[in-house]
Amino acid sequence: DAGITQSPRHKVTETGTPVTLRCHQTENHRYMYWYRQDPGHGLRLIHYSYGVKDTDKGEVSDGYSVSRSKTEDFLLTLESATSSQTSVYFCAISEGPPPGELFFGEGSRLTVL
Amino acid sequence: GESVGLHLPTLSVQEGDNSIINCAYSNSASDYFIWYKQESGKGPQFIIDIRSNMDKRQGQRVTVLLNKTVKHLSLQIAATQPGDSAVYFCAEGIQGAQKLVFGQGTRLTINP
Repeated sequence: DAGITQSPRHKVTETGTPVTLRCHQTENHRYMYWYRQDPGHGLRLIHYSYGVKDTDKGEVSDGYSVSRSKTEDFLLTLESATSSQTSVYFCAISEGPPPGELFFGEGSRLTVL
Repeated sequence: GESVGLHLPTLSVQEGDNSIINCAYSNSASDYFIWYKQESGKGPQFIIDIRSNMDKRQGQRVTVLLNKTVKHLSLQIAATQPGDSAVYFCAEGIQGAQKLVFGQGTRLTINP
């Protein structure tokens, strides 16, 4: 299994609070991604990173920001969580540029009340 | 665990039989395709991929078929086992386009 750790794995929060999800990899892969998974929508890309301090938006980036200050860590921040952001969030990594094989973490379930 | 979807298409097969999971992709310009397996409570796991210059590729107990004429992709699993029970996703991409687009998934259930 690829060395990807997501934290926290489960979080319940209230509308309007900030939330940060962390993805940590031990593979030294250049590319990192954040996806959300919702019933009826499949996996949708939020943001991705192609190197330290290099990030770009995906298809559902509104309400989310990311940071990558070192190769191994990719943070996803919800500045002010809303109920529509209740979802399962997956971090993924790849050695080369997309499209290509992605290695996924175990997921973080976020519930916004 | 993490739930995947409430109303996914479902395929039920007997243990030992072969399974065929189908996927219709949307973009005729897509030139890269990939299948993932997602077990309950886990992240998606790579199964096999194929590029558009091929129409068939085989792995261990799995075969992916690509029909570009009708934009159809299929995953064949030989001699299914209980451990094959999962949701299977196809995804499509374009070289240089920096993204994969995932399908909704199909839930495969193996009956003993």
